[in-house]
Amino acid sequence: GQNIDQPTEMTATEGAIVQINCTYQTSGFNGLFWYQQHAGEAPTFLSYNVLDGLEEKGRFSSFLSRSKGYSYLLLKELQMKDSASYLCAAMDSNYQLIWGAGTKLIIKP
Amino acid sequence: GAVVSQHPSRVICKSGTSVKIECRSLDFQATTMFWYRQFPKQSLMLMATSNEGSKATYEQGVEKDKFLINHASLTLSTLTVTSAHPEDSSFYICSARTLAGDEQFFGPGTRLTVL
Repeated sequence: GQNIDQPTEMTATEGAIVQINCTYQTSGFNGLFWYQQHAGEAPTFLSYNVLDGLEEKGRFSSFLSRSKGYSYLLLKELQMKDSASYLCAAMDSNYQLIWGAGTKLIIKP
Repeated sequence: GAVVSQHPSRVICKSGTSVKIECRSLDFQATTMFWYRQFPKQSLMLMATSNEGSKATYEQGVEKDKFLINHASLTLSTLTVTSAHPEDSSFYICSARTLAGDEQFFGPGTRLTVL
């Protein structure tokens, strides 16, 4: 079956670095998305990886290993506003999104 | 984990026709479901919030007469795109929130192509 796993909750300190992991199993693969979602708001697109490697975009970076079915989202210089849920979603061969349950990131001063 | 399904997963239709998309929460009840639209590599744009037994709440700029939403039961919401045009071609995603309101689960999406 198709499946996405990511940690339920993580806690980090303001100014630090945190890595949110995501493993996936899908029928075919057409890329992996990371979204940020603040409570009560729509998810905001962060990144899309379809090739292996690291893509950096400001304080956020996303990594993909297709052979391992693994991705991570790296957040640097954490700010209080980064407290949110982070959703990992893989697109299968039919271009359907398989969603992770989301990782709630708590930032402490 | 909780599962949200959408049907159909993909639909191609002619301009001027109407298309209905179903969103179901398979193993939980949801008083609130959300309909989003996504353009490639962009954020999900919330179109409307669907509440069971009452009228949907539409976001600014979304035509309620064009995007008809019905939430007839605690496990089913439908989005009907009426008189579809090519510019309506997009990826439509629904999500459902648990009765407790503490979790939200997303559907796999429906790819609509209007010729």
